[in-house]
Amino acid sequence: DIHMTQSPSSLSASVGDRVTITCRASQRISDYLNWYQQRPGKAPKLLIYAASSLQSGVPSRFSGSGSGTDFTLTISSLQPEDFATYYCQQSYTTSYTFGQGTRLEIK
Amino acid sequence: EVQLLESGGGLVQPGGSLRLSCAASGFTFSNYIMSWVRQAPGKGLEWVSSISGSGGTTYYADSVKGRFTVSRDNSKNTLSLQMNSLRADDTAVYYCAKLSSGGWYFGLDVWGQGTTVTVSS
Repeated sequence: DIHMTQSPSSLSASVGDRVTITCRASQRISDYLNWYQQRPGKAPKLLIYAASSLQSGVPSRFSGSGSGTDFTLTISSLQPEDFATYYCQQSYTTSYTFGQGTRLEIK
Repeated sequence: EVQLLESGGGLVQPGGSLRLSCAASGFTFSNYIMSWVRQAPGKGLEWVSSISGSGGTTYYADSVKGRFTVSRDNSKNTLSLQMNSLRADDTAVYYCAKLSSGGWYFGLDVWGQGTTVTVSS
């Protein structure tokens, strides 16, 4: 199985900050990488698919980049509703795997 | 509105069985690959299983292979997960989710609200 590693595991930031979360795959996965946001007690929400494509309805302050093994999710200017946990997920194989999550907290 | 609604969760003893269902609405169910994803208390997301639109192709995580069976009834717009030989580490919120229109590759774009399975004596 492909192992996904996110860093950092947690992050404290302030409203208005620019934040970057990193995801690394244990083998090359082209651009088959998706990002999700999960707020407490809620289902995950797809933010970015195919590494850099913004899902419909997602604010443009979210962006993704990368290919191969290294990927990033960037939030350009944090809003109060962005404090949540973020997960990357590889879809290069049909045995999907998720990263362990990055918890974004208010500083 | 595109919706997924899970049901069937509950408390079950170790070694027992449970069948989860997911009712889909607002989209042509048979056209989409569907998946189950679970989340143990306080933990991250774990993919469990996926099934093609026709139901002819299925995939399972190693942790559930041989114990869980995914199926779908396209005439009733329903996805199911039969869980046998349940263990304490199967305790989780189980989500059903729809693959996006890009097929197997472009993410899970619609999720249900989840149903809770607790395996305990």
